[in-house]
Formats: sequence, C-alpha cells, structure tokens
Amino acid sequence: GAGVSQTPSNKVTEKGKYVELRCDPISGHTALYWYRQSLGQGPEFLIYFQGTGAADDSGLPNDRFFAVRPEGSVSTLKIQRTERGDSAVYLCASSPFLTANTDTQYFGPGTRLTVL
Amino acid sequence: KQEVTQIPAALSVPEGENLVLNCSFTDSAIYNLQWFRQDPGKGLTSLLLIQSSQREQTSGRLNASLDKSSGRSTLYIAASQPGDSATYLCAVTGNTGKLIFGQGTTLQVKP
Repeated sequence: GAGVSQTPSNKVTEKGKYVELRCDPISGHTALYWYRQSLGQGPEFLIYFQGTGAADDSGLPNDRFFAVRPEGSVSTLKIQRTERGDSAVYLCASSPFLTANTDTQYFGPGTRLTVL
Repeated sequence: KQEVTQIPAALSVPEGENLVLNCSFTDSAIYNLQWFRQDPGKGLTSLLLIQSSQREQTSGRLNASLDKSSGRSTLYIAASQPGDSATYLCAVTGNTGKLIFGQGTTLQVKP
C-alpha cells in the first residue's frame, strides 16, 4: 500500500497477557518510529529503528516493552504482562531519513490497545 | 529535557474567523519544528515543517512561524472552515529524528 499500515486496529486484552502490535512502513523507508498516545495527550516517543537496529530505545517505559525489525521493514512492538496503564493508542511512523532537519515522518492510523 | 507546550488546549470559533495556535519549547537546540493535524481515530498528518534555519512556512490558508531563540512557534489559520476542526499538534525534532510533541490544541469551527 501507499501508506503506513498497522494491525490490529483495535486490541482488547486482559491484564497480565502478552500482546504484539505490527507496523508495515512505507516501502523503502529506512527509519521507523513507535510512539504511544494516551487520551488527551500528545504522542510520546518509544523507540526508533534505522534499518534493522534499534538506534534509540530511550522511550521504552520498562523491560516489559520490546520491539524488533528483523528484516528492516516490518516492525513488531511486543508488550509482556500487560497492565491497565498500558492502555493507549500505539502509533507507528516511517521516514526515508534523508536529512535530519528536513525529514517528515508518515504516521499509520494506530492500534488502540485496551487492557482490562 | 525538551518540553513542548501548546496553548490553548481547546478552541471554538465561528466559521470564517482567523485564528492562532501557540507552541513553546524549552530547548532551542532543535533540527526542525512541525505542525500536525489529527482527526479522531486517525493517524497524524504533517501540515508544515519549518527547518531550524527558517522563520516561517506557508501552505494555502496555513502559515507557521518559528522563533527558535525564544522557543516559540505559531500556526495561523486564515478564514477557518468547519473542515478545519481537528486536533493540532506541534512537535520538535531532536537527535535521532524522534519527535517530541505538545499536548495538542483541539479546534472546533462552527458553521
């Protein structure tokens, strides 16, 4: 497709369960970002991939959160032992990362995660 | 630590009015500043990107300014329309290209 896609669009799970959220970036984009947006707030940075490697994971809140991008395209955000406070919209964005000061990130529609 | 603040949190105006949304940031060492639009249940759409060396950018009825030294940006919307109703987010780009967002301004334009 032409844009960033994320699956599932909605995920409801129970406290303590494991979830995986998937992001398909725009073809050819080397940079991929995950953000988390709580209700009424702006998105908060979680992790950034350049190719297959995590270049900056400083935004991951704790070790229950992990993300991979094994082939440099699709990325999966994994959350273990989910807590009610993890409920949010998880946004993925990609960019060609041509230059740091002119780059625009293209966002997917997000996955709304609800932890009961 | 970079912090981005947007004022007001919400704004309601009648159709046709010109309006200004405000954004401030605490660390002037930014690569660029962007304004995004977010519709309910949707992702973000980039409206304007101002490089750190620039003062303003324009696109149609939108004009964004940047005063890096004072840590401020404004988004000016001319002749507002009901279709402009959305949440507007300001974000600065830090190292590694990660975006640091404000909390957003929710705009309602009444017909």
